[in-house]
Amino acid sequence: QQQVKQSPQSLIVQKGGISIINCAYENTAFDYFPWYQQFPGKGPALLIAIRPDVSEKKEGRFTISFNKSAKQFSLHIMDSQPGDSATYFCAASMRSGNTPLVFGKGTRLSVIA
Amino acid sequence: SQTIHQWPATLVQPVGSPLSLECTVEGTSNPNLYWYRQAAGRGLQLLFYSVGIGQISSEVPQNLSASRPQDRQFILSSKKLLLSDSGFYLCAWSSKGIPYEQYFGPGTRLTVT
Repeated sequence: QQQVKQSPQSLIVQKGGISIINCAYENTAFDYFPWYQQFPGKGPALLIAIRPDVSEKKEGRFTISFNKSAKQFSLHIMDSQPGDSATYFCAASMRSGNTPLVFGKGTRLSVIA
Repeated sequence: SQTIHQWPATLVQPVGSPLSLECTVEGTSNPNLYWYRQAAGRGLQLLFYSVGIGQISSEVPQNLSASRPQDRQFILSSKKLLLSDSGFYLCAWSSKGIPYEQYFGPGTRLTVT
């Protein structure tokens, strides 16, 4: 029940295309859903996050879509660029208490020209 | 602003040798602190987390241990390294006010030979 399932494991997208990464969770107590971006040899960086009271959040080319009834959320990267090539992790947590984030296993995105 | 430091950045150690990795956070007080391990091309495995000095929660039983001797210092140790301890070790912090927003350090690349 604590798992967050992330797919696909790897993704290749043409430059200018849309990258879509999906995550699903089971614990309905989760109420915070962040995405992290990690470049090789670096620590993950918080990219964007959403709370379940909204269905979508957009920051620049990055959008999170959230479906509470399906217990799923996804990251869309519009106009994907080679510089977006990185590993992306979704996560889930509860805003109350000090419970650590539960991470998905990651998606390696390659944007090719 | 807050800054998280990890050292060393890279480390090569023989099997059976001891280990000490250090993490410090600046610009905040009483943070939650976390140690993660990331095997090559794999996801983020939570090893330990701490909500205060001397308070350590272990997520995975193994030959590693963690200590928090000071408010903003988190140390990962081992008495005898195994080959399987190789990986990328990441420290992260979050504030008590927003415990679900985790920020990662730059990481330590450990190779056990």
